[in-house]
Order: sequence, then C-alpha cells, then structure tokens
Amino acid sequence: QKEVEQDPGPLSVPEGAIVSLNCTYSNSAFQYFMWYRQYSRKGPELLMYTYSSGNKEDGRFTAQVDKSSKYISLFIRDSQPSDSATYLCAMRAAFLGRNSGGSNYKLTFGKGTLLTVNP
Amino acid sequence: DSGVTQTPKHLITATGQRVTLRCSPRSGDLSVYWYQQSLDQGLQFLIQYYNGEERAKGNILERFSAQQFPDLHSELNLSSLELGDSALYFCASSVGPRDRDPGELFFGEGSRLTVL
Repeated sequence: QKEVEQDPGPLSVPEGAIVSLNCTYSNSAFQYFMWYRQYSRKGPELLMYTYSSGNKEDGRFTAQVDKSSKYISLFIRDSQPSDSATYLCAMRAAFLGRNSGGSNYKLTFGKGTLLTVNP
Repeated sequence: DSGVTQTPKHLITATGQRVTLRCSPRSGDLSVYWYQQSLDQGLQFLIQYYNGEERAKGNILERFSAQQFPDLHSELNLSSLELGDSALYFCASSVGPRDRDPGELFFGEGSRLTVL
C-alpha cells in the first residue's frame, strides 16, 4: 500500500462548480498536510497547509483533515478556468526538533489530480 | 517565479549516457531537494542536502548521485541512462527549521529529460 493515495482523475467541471479533491494516507506519523498546485510546464507551488486535524479556509479554498480516517480534502468553491491545474496533496511527519541537524522537510506527495474547469 | 533556477529546461540524450542537472536555490535557503516526476509514479523524493551535507535519501538509484556546493547550488548526476529515466526532475529549496512550520518547498520549473 502506498503511503499516500490520490485519484489522478482527470476531473472536468463547469465554471462555478464546487470541486472536491481527496487523498488518503496510511502513515500515522504525518502531522502536516499540504496542497500544492501545479500548472502545466511549471513546478508545484504551495496552495494551503494544515497542521494536524481540522479545517482551514482561504478565500475560495478550504482544506480539511480527518486524522481518525486518515483522509484529507481540498474544496474549491466557485471554480474558475484559472483553477485548471494538477493538485497534489503532500504530507510530512512533525519537525524533528531544533537540534536535529537542520532542515528535514521530506514531503510525501500524492500522484496529483488533473482538474479542468471549463468556461 | 519561485526563485529556484534549474538548468537545462530540456535535455534529450541516448541510453547509456550521463547528464548533469543544475539547481540554484532561493537566496538564503540552505536546503535543496531533488524530486523525480513521472506519469506513473508521481512526484518521488530522491535526495535532500542541507548546507552542503546529505540530509535525507529517498528512492534514488545507485546510478544517480548529487551534491551541494559551498555556494549552495546543487547538481544531480544521472549516469548509465535508461529509457525509464525519462521524467521531469525538480529541484526545490526551503527555509530553515521553525516550529509549526509546514516546511514549504519552493520548486523550480524542472528539467525534462528524454532518454532515447
């Protein structure tokens, strides 16, 4: 079983639709949950992050984490054509501590879901 | 623009050859990460360097090696190339450790390697 599972899609929706993107994971040590967005021919960029369980809202985007079910979601309200991209979930365990010898932000990524929002 | 620079953007080579991919991290970032992205495997972590030292290793093949230089730029060397090595190779950099820091990675635009 892969540590992080994400349906690759593709997902095609009309403009204005509510989009739901999801990932499941198996590693109980994951504490930080992130969503990266990757436009075609570009590198991924951080969209949102959540620490431990709960919800976080940023404009039209809402990230949810359910650690009991090992399930995370990203909701996009009033989707726009400019939201068309690949969305990757990413996770990592807690930071190892100030004296751990430096930065250790190894992220485990899902495969990404390709989203197309049609005008 | 993430501030991370990768060269070359595209590379076409033959099986058995060796290539070097180069990465300049964001100004002030001490950590550099290399990831491989392919359609079937997604984004796979290869290796991390922090201030010149190897910090973490992922699914990196023995044919691949990397290093980070005193000026903090990094190189990923891929040798004895096989068809299956064709992929996008991303470099990312990050700021230093902070509590409750998600560890945002800043990615370059990638180097697309095609092995024929």
